[in-house]
Amino acid sequence: EIVLTQSPGTLSLSPGERATLSCRASQSVSSSYLAWYQQKPGQTPRVLIYGASSRATGVPDRFSGSGSGTDFTLTISRLEPEDFAVYYCQQYGSSPRTFGGGTKVEIK
Amino acid sequence: EVQLVESGGGLVQPGGSLRLSCAASGFTFTKYWMTWVRQAPGKGLEWVANINQDGSEENYVDSVRGRFTISRDNAKNSLYLQMNSLRADDAALYYCTIGSGWYEHWGQGTLVTVSS
Repeated sequence: EIVLTQSPGTLSLSPGERATLSCRASQSVSSSYLAWYQQKPGQTPRVLIYGASSRATGVPDRFSGSGSGTDFTLTISRLEPEDFAVYYCQQYGSSPRTFGGGTKVEIK
Repeated sequence: EVQLVESGGGLVQPGGSLRLSCAASGFTFTKYWMTWVRQAPGKGLEWVANINQDGSEENYVDSVRGRFTISRDNAKNSLYLQMNSLRADDAALYYCTIGSGWYEHWGQGTLVTVSS
């Protein structure tokens, strides 16, 4: 099973700042099969990025994903008020699929 | 419009059983793998199990293998999760999702509480 470790656990930033979230895998993720999700309190997860760097439908271009192998990054170029949420990475290159523990982006 | 509606959650005693259902509509059910994901209160997401289009292949996370069984009824556009020997750490909101890779569509979930 691939273990995904997200860091930091909490990121305290102000609107307009840049957010950089990390997801590290215990072994290489096949074909960069990595996705990122955003979840707000009381809501279901929303996919932002798939294939490590492809934005899902309707996702603003301030969200970008990068990385390969074992190291992946989600970058939010300029935080908007609605971006404060919890973010999860997920690998789908091998079974069982696994999620990271999440990074909470909170308002500083 | 894609709709996934989970049901069957509730309060069950440790060691008990529960069967979750997911009614799917708005897409061609028979073309897709289906997946269950769960989230314990205040915790992160955990992938639970998936099943292929004709039900001939199933995958499980280690913590539920041998206790949970995923199944589907393509005639009814429905996905199921039979949960036996439930433990306190199985308590969670259980989501039904489409696909075997990344998940664009999620149901609202059904809550399973395990307590005596």
